[in-house]
Amino acid sequence: NAGVTQTPKFQVLKTGQSMTLQCAQDMNHEYMSWYRQDPGMGLRLIHYSVGAGITDQGEVPNGYNVSRSTTEDFPLRLLSAAPSQTSVYFCASSTNPGVSYSPLHFGNGTRLTVT
Amino acid sequence: DQQVKQNSPSLSVQEGRISILNCDYTNSMFDYFLWYKKYPAEGPTFLISISSIKDKNEDGRFTVFLNKSAKHLSLHIVPSQPGDSAVYFCAARPNAGNNRKLIWGLGTSLAVNP
Repeated sequence: NAGVTQTPKFQVLKTGQSMTLQCAQDMNHEYMSWYRQDPGMGLRLIHYSVGAGITDQGEVPNGYNVSRSTTEDFPLRLLSAAPSQTSVYFCASSTNPGVSYSPLHFGNGTRLTVT
Repeated sequence: DQQVKQNSPSLSVQEGRISILNCDYTNSMFDYFLWYKKYPAEGPTFLISISSIKDKNEDGRFTVFLNKSAKHLSLHIVPSQPGDSAVYFCAARPNAGNNRKLIWGLGTSLAVNP
């Protein structure tokens, strides 16, 4: 059972470039989310989704887009990368937290550097 | 304004002794509290949780205590092992509203010395 899979593990971008961080889960979880982790800032929620076709903003959504066309996949798009987006990005999934409690399952992260 | 606070950024403990990691919260409207453990270059992994209706939950070497009147919870690791060296995040789940997004503390880095 793979759980939550993130690709790529590492990425270097130049300012202004675009890219998509991929996230897939095989647990049939309704809820998926993206976090970024920066030193001294803990985990900050970027965007989340409670099911296919439904997305919403977290606390730091600017500069990022998401879509949820299937239950399994939740890609995160950077349209025009900025140095401030240098971070480690984590995708996480769970059952729908508005319906029942279950802990989040995290992927192993994508380390992004924007120069 | 941080609703979940881990006031100790780091903690160092001798192998075999008890590790106590603390977490304070300001909002009474949480129904679950969770602890996650994170190794370098890996994602956080769920460790243990506690419902707000309980005051203790135990799983092997890990015990979480909840003091609702003090709005404080703690994670006890007994005995501590070098493999426990990691960053520990405390998180709280709101009991209503806005898809119950978890509120996270900033983490405590635990070092268990052999």
